[in-house]
Amino acid sequence: DVKVTQSSRYLVKRTGEKVFLECVQDMDHENMFWYRQDPGLGLRLIYFSYDVKMKEKGDIPEGYSVSREKKERFSLILESASTNQTSMYLCASRGGSSGSYEQFFGPGTRLTVL
Amino acid sequence: QQQVKQSPQSLIVQKGGISIINCAYENTAFDYFPWYQQFPGKGPALLIAIRPDVSEKKEGRFTISFNKSAKQFSLHIMDSQPGDSATYFCAASRIKSGTYKYIFGTGTRLKVLA
Repeated sequence: DVKVTQSSRYLVKRTGEKVFLECVQDMDHENMFWYRQDPGLGLRLIYFSYDVKMKEKGDIPEGYSVSREKKERFSLILESASTNQTSMYLCASRGGSSGSYEQFFGPGTRLTVL
Repeated sequence: QQQVKQSPQSLIVQKGGISIINCAYENTAFDYFPWYQQFPGKGPALLIAIRPDVSEKKEGRFTISFNKSAKQFSLHIMDSQPGDSATYFCAASRIKSGTYKYIFGTGTRLKVLA
């Protein structure tokens, strides 16, 4: 089974702090994604990566950056956390072009910024 | 043009009834339409998906109906069970573009009464 793990289930940070959310997948997937999930807004794509050191902006990249130094790990960085970044953050991964189109999700990190 | 509109926002169905969730899209370049199911405390998981070359796909009690001319697709859950109570997301993607990004709908919270 594909497994996508996220470093924390719950996280509480203060405004202005730098926040790192880590995601690791164990299926050698090329593509990885970061979403945030908010009630009534569904899942919105923040950033995605289709290869090591490669990244592209999603629909709501402002206030976020990402890092992918190794194939299995994709990190989301909040340079200076703000209260409007309080949300559920979901990481997903997907196999290469010869694989299926399915995205496999981690359990999520619920971030609260005070 | 990138949006996927999902309705209803919430749905209550009696056990044994039919649950129907609808989605509409604008971008005719979308060529992959998955439905994801999310239980509380878990990440979304792929339930069923369809390509636009077919009008219907069935897997057990779950059916996707696809209307290409109307740019609409829907999820039907037959013989709904309390265990189906979850949040459902439709999505659309441009597989041929090679990025495998999803645009998600806003979600439907389904409750099946015992």
